[in-house]
Amino acid sequence: GAGVSQTPSNKVTEKGKYVELRCDPISGHTALYWYRQSLGQGPEFLIYFQGTGAADDSGLPNDRFFAVRPEGSVSTLKIQRTERGDSAVYLCASSLLGGIEGRNEQFFGPGTRLTVL
Amino acid sequence: GNSVTQMEGPVTLSEEAFLTINCTYTATGYPSLFWYVQYPGEGLQLLLKATKADDKGSNKGFEATYRKETTSFHLEKGSVQVSDSAVYFCALSDPNDKIIFGKGTRLHILP
Repeated sequence: GAGVSQTPSNKVTEKGKYVELRCDPISGHTALYWYRQSLGQGPEFLIYFQGTGAADDSGLPNDRFFAVRPEGSVSTLKIQRTERGDSAVYLCASSLLGGIEGRNEQFFGPGTRLTVL
Repeated sequence: GNSVTQMEGPVTLSEEAFLTINCTYTATGYPSLFWYVQYPGEGLQLLLKATKADDKGSNKGFEATYRKETTSFHLEKGSVQVSDSAVYFCALSDPNDKIIFGKGTRLHILP
């Protein structure tokens, strides 16, 4: 079966522009997570969806970042007025149920490499 | 808050050497612990996990034991191969199921 997919794989944009990053989770997975991985660092949590709702958005760095999952499947991470510091690999993961203290494995997508010039 | 500290790399070993990558954690409660691996050009993959104290996770010859008394989850392998070259991340999950990662340790295995 298909794994988690993310598009685009690479995105180059200019400072101040708006970008959207898409994640297609594994079919049937109710939990979806976004992480950000800066160069030389481990991934950092951004937001967690259970179904259509954001169950935990405590990792979003500021109000320029927003994510949606309107039908409980595909999710879009939206970044307004991009800054050079937003450059990173954005990872998406999904799990079957979520919310059980790590007892459900999270499957990661290949990531979107965002470069803000 | 919850955090993970792992040894800095890069770690360079010869093939068939013994590997240890140290990992310690700080957490409230009893988190699940993980090792993830990122092979060159590939996505992040779960290598092994342990969900409670004294559990041992194992996969592909790698092992790690959940040590509550020392808050550690060190990764070990008895005989590494060139194909084990990758970046390894120690991680824990908090009660809300988000994963907190260490900074990663790059491993190079020389033939």
